[in-house]
Amino acid sequence: AQKITQTQPGMFVQEKEAVTLDCTYDTSDPSYGLFWYKQPSSGEMIFLIYQGSYDQQNATEGRYSLNFQKARKSANLVISASQLGDSAMYFCAMRLQGGSEKLVFGKGTKLTVNP
Amino acid sequence: DTAVSQTPKYLVTQMGNDKSIKCEQNLGHDTMYWYKQDSKKFLKIMFSYNNKELIINETVPNRFSPKSPDKAHLNLHINSLELGDSAVYFCASSQEGRWDSGELFFGEGSRLTVL
Repeated sequence: AQKITQTQPGMFVQEKEAVTLDCTYDTSDPSYGLFWYKQPSSGEMIFLIYQGSYDQQNATEGRYSLNFQKARKSANLVISASQLGDSAMYFCAMRLQGGSEKLVFGKGTKLTVNP
Repeated sequence: DTAVSQTPKYLVTQMGNDKSIKCEQNLGHDTMYWYKQDSKKFLKIMFSYNNKELIINETVPNRFSPKSPDKAHLNLHINSLELGDSAVYFCASSQEGRWDSGELFFGEGSRLTVL
């Protein structure tokens, strides 16, 4: 069974600094995708970044990058140059290959960016 | 032009009542989902449908009955509401076979409060 673990219930970072949000996963399936979503206080789920299990390079999207270490089964999210608007819940998720397969979420990390 | 829309956004009702939440997506996706987010922000899948066919049915009480009249709509009906049903219910959709990302597109959520 798939499992996603986010060990940091809350994180604090100063504005303009970088922050890493941890995520480890567990699956025996060789084909999977890893996702990060942001949920601001307004409640919507915003897709941030995706990493496929066969991707050779770490995914990047603007200020977001995913530090993918397959052997360690970790997929940490790095946010560079934090902004006040980055304060939100961040969820790591995994999905097995297959289209209709469900997305399994971690418990989330609440990030607070301080001015 | 909202991609995944849910109605109502807020629902307050008494224990024992029956209520429905509707979801529509205009992305042309094949697969739709219902997720429940509890008070601790944990997101858990409830159901998924692919082209109107039930694919995933997690251990959800049978008071919850999804219905998909066509692949663009997935409704959730809840009978005999209980206090523990209070949560935010998210509808989502994805395109089967898209393994470059296969991200889920989420609706804005429907906050159900059972008194």
